[in-house]
Formats: sequence, structure tokens, C-alpha cells
Amino acid sequence: EVQLVQSGAEVKKPGESLKISCKGSGYSFTSYWIGWVRQMPGKGLEWMGIIYPGDSDTRYSPSFQGQVTISADKSISTAYLQWSSLKASDTAMYYCARQQLYGVDYWGQGTLVTVSS
Amino acid sequence: QSALTQPASVSGSPGQSITISCTGTSSDVGGYNYVSWYQQHPGKAPKLMIYEVSNRPSGVPDRFSGSKSGNTASLTISGLQAEDEADYYCSSYTSSSTLFWVFGGGTKLTVL
Repeated sequence: EVQLVQSGAEVKKPGESLKISCKGSGYSFTSYWIGWVRQMPGKGLEWMGIIYPGDSDTRYSPSFQGQVTISADKSISTAYLQWSSLKASDTAMYYCARQQLYGVDYWGQGTLVTVSS
Repeated sequence: QSALTQPASVSGSPGQSITISCTGTSSDVGGYNYVSWYQQHPGKAPKLMIYEVSNRPSGVPDRFSGSKSGNTASLTISGLQAEDEADYYCSSYTSSSTLFWVFGGGTKLTVL
């Protein structure tokens, strides 16, 4: 069974750093793009970026380029989304997602990130 | 601003049919048969309902169907049920983004 299991909810202060994770299982982790999707409170889905764990090819949406870092450790089938300095506006639910050519076939359960002083 | 345009809201009564549109360009919806639809209930992760324009994953009721004409894809839900009330998002493969895929802005379906 394919599963993407994300790390738990986080509460952080502005300026702090954070790295959240997404562990894949039940499939060949290196053979599919993994994407990160932001959903701000009451808003729609936004692509942040994607990574191909097989060769670490990483692409970012222009809106998120320079704001976050996406990485993957294929030895433990885990993708990461990282911030070096959080802002209140980073408060959102973050989903990881396995990509097929037609779109997402599996989603993680989501990680809620709250940034508040 | 989303790359794909959806109506903000649609509504229908139980048993009726509704259609949600998703309009793009020849670089995405019109150029590829890689359109998918997702259902999202409050507090839940999105769920794939339709892929490759009109295919249903195993377990999705056949009340859900998809189609495409030109640069516009559509999701039709027939025999509306209360549990269909949710947000719906379309997505398409695109040649105009390095991320390969784009979402629509989402449509809130209300079952009256």
C-alpha cells in the first residue's frame, strides 16, 4: 500500500527555522516526483515545488523560490521542506504529494505549521 | 491568481446534477489529456476523483465523471448527495511551468 506519512504539527516563532518531513512507503521512492503544496487558512492549493528523489532534480514555483528549500534522502525514502526564517505568513497546512504524469495520486495527511509570536 | 479558472461556488439539491468547469489554455488543459480533479472535505487532505480527463480511480462512485472540450475541462456530479459537499480542485499538466502541473483556484460545492 502506497503511503506518504508527514511529520506532526509545529508551532514556531517568527525568525525560527523548521524542517518538516514526508516519508514514502509501498513504492519505489526514487521513481516518482514528490511535490509540496501549501494551503493557507481558508484558501486554495498552491504548488511550492517538486523534487525527483532519484537524482534530486528540484524545481520551485517562482513564488517560493528562495523562501524554502526542498530536499530528499532516498536512503530513508523521505522528502523534506525547510525554512530558515519563518514568518507569520507561513502559517498554513503543508501537504506532500506523489506525482503521476496526470497529477497527484497520493497525498500525505498534511502538516500544520503555525507561526506566532 | 491560479493558472486554471474555476467558479468560486456551485450548488445543487440532493439528486440533481452539477457541473464544475476548469478553464485553461492550449499550454495546459487544451494541450494534454492530463487533467485531474480532487475533492477536499474540511480538515482533510485532497482526494483524487478523476484523472486523465475522465478516468475514475478505484472506489470513486460512477456519479463522478469528467470531460474536456478545447481549453475547458468539466467535472459532473450526478445524483448529488450530502457527502459530496466539499471543495473541488482541477489540475492539469502544463508546458508553461517548470513545476509541470498547475491547480485551479477551487470550487465550493454546496448541497442545498
